[in-house]
Amino acid sequence: KAGVTQTPRYLIKTRGQQVTLSCSPISGHRSVSWYQQTPGQGLQFLFEYFSETQRNKGNFPGRFSGRQFSNSRSEMNVSTLELGDSALYLCASSLGNNDREKLFFGSGTQLSVL
Amino acid sequence: GQQVMQIPQYQHVQEGEDFTTYCNSSTTLSNIQWYKQRPGGHPVFLIQLVKSGEVKKQKRLTFQFGEAKKNSSLHITATQTTDVGTYFCAPQGGNTPLVFGKGTRLSVIA
Repeated sequence: KAGVTQTPRYLIKTRGQQVTLSCSPISGHRSVSWYQQTPGQGLQFLFEYFSETQRNKGNFPGRFSGRQFSNSRSEMNVSTLELGDSALYLCASSLGNNDREKLFFGSGTQLSVL
Repeated sequence: GQQVMQIPQYQHVQEGEDFTTYCNSSTTLSNIQWYKQRPGGHPVFLIQLVKSGEVKKQKRLTFQFGEAKKNSSLHITATQTTDVGTYFCAPQGGNTPLVFGKGTRLSVIA
């Protein structure tokens, strides 16, 4: 089985631009969660999608949004980029049937905002 | 989601020494998961603890869940350079997303 795939691997943007990140979960997994990882703050939860619906949301501004498609692939969008948005963005997938499932992470997208 | 304190933030050990990281919550947890992230890599699931007082072992790694289900620990016996990385605990309080502690970064000096 292929693992969780995130594209692109690296991205460089300038302040004020917007960016879209993509995540393809493991086949059969219906839940996709997004995390932001920075050296100072660790892994912070952004949101979780399950069956095309946002099921949980973290404490991030509205500039951060996401969606999930019928094939469970998910995209995350950040508008009006700020310098502080520079981070590793990780997505993780799971079956999504209960809260005791382990997460499978992708390799992440390293976003640099200049 | 649940909030936890993970300590220490950093730990440097000589190869062969033991290492322990602790995860403490002010509220009772439903379960707790542990992940390891190698430098430059992504978090990888290690184990899940569900029962009060549970102890699980994976070779040199020992995981414990407290009797009150408010704390957990990961102990590594005789560390090796392959143990280098950041260890995260991820507690759950039931029907909440997985929220990660800030992690303990382990360095092993050969």
